[in-house]
Amino acid sequence: EAEVAQSPRYKITEKSQAVAFWCDPISGHATLYWYRQILGQGPELLVQFQDESVVDDSQLPKDRFSAERLKGVDSTLKIQPAELGDSAMYLCASSPARAYEQYFGPGTRLTVT
Amino acid sequence: LAKTTQPISMDSYEGQEVNITCSHNNIATNDYITWYQQFPSQGPRFIIQGYKTKVTNEVASLFIPADRKSSTLSLPRVSLSDTAVYYCLVDPPQGDDKIIFGKGTRLHILP
Repeated sequence: EAEVAQSPRYKITEKSQAVAFWCDPISGHATLYWYRQILGQGPELLVQFQDESVVDDSQLPKDRFSAERLKGVDSTLKIQPAELGDSAMYLCASSPARAYEQYFGPGTRLTVT
Repeated sequence: LAKTTQPISMDSYEGQEVNITCSHNNIATNDYITWYQQFPSQGPRFIIQGYKTKVTNEVASLFIPADRKSSTLSLPRVSLSDTAVYYCLVDPPQGDDKIIFGKGTRLHILP
């Protein structure tokens, strides 16, 4: 069964450093999502792509976060500089189209020290 | 924005039917209602999706009344492995509205 791949699985970084996460969605899935999930809370949508275009990034802290999906396939989420409050699980999901079943990757657990 | 409201937690016993209700008063005409399950340290997993009336699959049923302002996820004969967090969300197929996961319902199944 096809799966969403994410790397790294775990990342520890110091405050003010740069960090990047990578996501490879299921082949053929046009819609890609990045979520941030703080322990004990539900996932918060950071950015949503339709192919290579951003559909929604209203909750992305654009002063420090950036996301791209250049060829409409895999995607990178970057944080620069990282802050202590960025410690969370970062989840990537993909779906064939909007409002279809989302398939989630295993996530990247980020710890900022 | 179509936000959702669910009970924070629920307890039930193995073998019982569990019903979790979600309210979504501001749902738009074209929005779908989707439920996900999440275990600790894993990403959410799709359970079921519906638009109106009743939908059933191999793991759950989803009941949606005519006004679509609420929905009820029904899990038949739960087991200990159904202990998880369950999220209800409103899923817009188009437009500017975005997906919002609420706090979810923590379901604890007791032996």
